[in-house]
Parts: sequence; C-alpha cells; structure tokens
Amino acid sequence: QQQVKQSPQSLIVQKGGISIINCAYENTAFDYFPWYQQFPGKGPALLIAIRPDVSEKKEGRFTISFNKSAKQFSLHIMDSQPGDSATYFCAAVRGGATNKLIFGTGTLLAVQP
Amino acid sequence: NAGVTQTPKFQVLKTGQSMTLQCAQDMNHEYMSWYRQDPGMGLRLIHYSVGAGITDQGEVPNGYNVSRSTTEDFPLRLLSAAPSQTSVYFCASGKDGFDYGYTFGSGTRLTVV
Repeated sequence: QQQVKQSPQSLIVQKGGISIINCAYENTAFDYFPWYQQFPGKGPALLIAIRPDVSEKKEGRFTISFNKSAKQFSLHIMDSQPGDSATYFCAAVRGGATNKLIFGTGTLLAVQP
Repeated sequence: NAGVTQTPKFQVLKTGQSMTLQCAQDMNHEYMSWYRQDPGMGLRLIHYSVGAGITDQGEVPNGYNVSRSTTEDFPLRLLSAAPSQTSVYFCASGKDGFDYGYTFGSGTRLTVV
C-alpha cells in the first residue's frame, strides 16, 4: 500500500498564484519529511524539509505546513512562477535512515504565464 | 563536477537479457540507493547500502542485484530483463542524519522489449 499519499496528481496555477500540494502518512514512526523537485530529464533535488517537532518551515517562497495530529503535511509555493513548473514529490523517512526515502506519487505543477 | 554519475542514460534490452546500470559518486557518501520511477507511482526503493560491503533490500527488489565493493560505486544488475522492468532508474547518495539531502543522479531510461 502507498505509505505516503499525495494529491493532487496535477495542478495548474496562474503566475503569481499560490500552489498547494498535500501529503498524508500513516506510519507515526516517520520523523523527517522532505520535499523534492524534479525537472524533466533530471533527477529529483531536495527542495525543503521539516521535522515533526515544528509546525511550519519557510524558505523563500516555499513553505511546509505540518499537522502532526492529522498526519498531514503540505507544500505551499507563494507567488508561483513559470520556472516552478516541475514535478514535486513529498517523502518520509524513519529513524534518520535518509537512504530509505518513501516517496509520494508526485504532483505535476504547471504555472501558466 | 561533484555529484552522482549514472551510465548509460538510455538502454533498450530484449526480454531475458542481463545488464548492469552503473552508479558512481565522488562525495564520499556512505549511503547509496537505487530507485525506479514509474508514472503514477512515484519513486520506489529497490536496494540500498549504508557502506562498502553492506547492502539491503528496499520495496521492490525482485529481479535486481546490487553489490558495494567501494564507497564510490553501487552498480545495479538486472539478472533477466522483463518488460515490467521498463522504467527510469535513479541512483542517489547521501550522508546519515537529517541535515543532509539525498543527491540523485540524472537517471537511466530503460526499455525492455
């Protein structure tokens, strides 16, 4: 079964708008939640990550919101730009084993000019 | 340039053939992993290693073998290729601990006919 559920599968946002991607997990042993960004023909690259002891982390236009009780976390991209068009993956890790990332199914984001 | 190098970038195999996907990193990372990426399924862990001589199975290990004789190299072997192994394969490396992202290679697109 999918340990990390991600939605939506695809998303179209106008330039300057807010992009929101949601993820949910079941395993409460997960203790590190990174987001990866992937451009066509490239490997995923770490975008931003959060530990469950904080509810929000912001880096530039990218913010992770984390709800531990609901076992949900989301990525918000403020002032979305065409250059943000990519596939975004949420992921989860248990016990510091960063080599065993469990990925969501991905969200294809298209930011229209 | 430092990073994760995967070869080849593209490969077509016939059913039943064997081959090795190469992966090398020059960042002295102890952790290395192989993932496969399929549409709608995200990235799924095939095998991983926490150091030279140490490997273990991930979510989808059947049909694949790995070995880690050096810190730098982590080849993935397909024993007898099947059409179900048509996918994009990514190798990644990283360090232990939450403060380090996992660095991915640019992938190998494999088609089994």
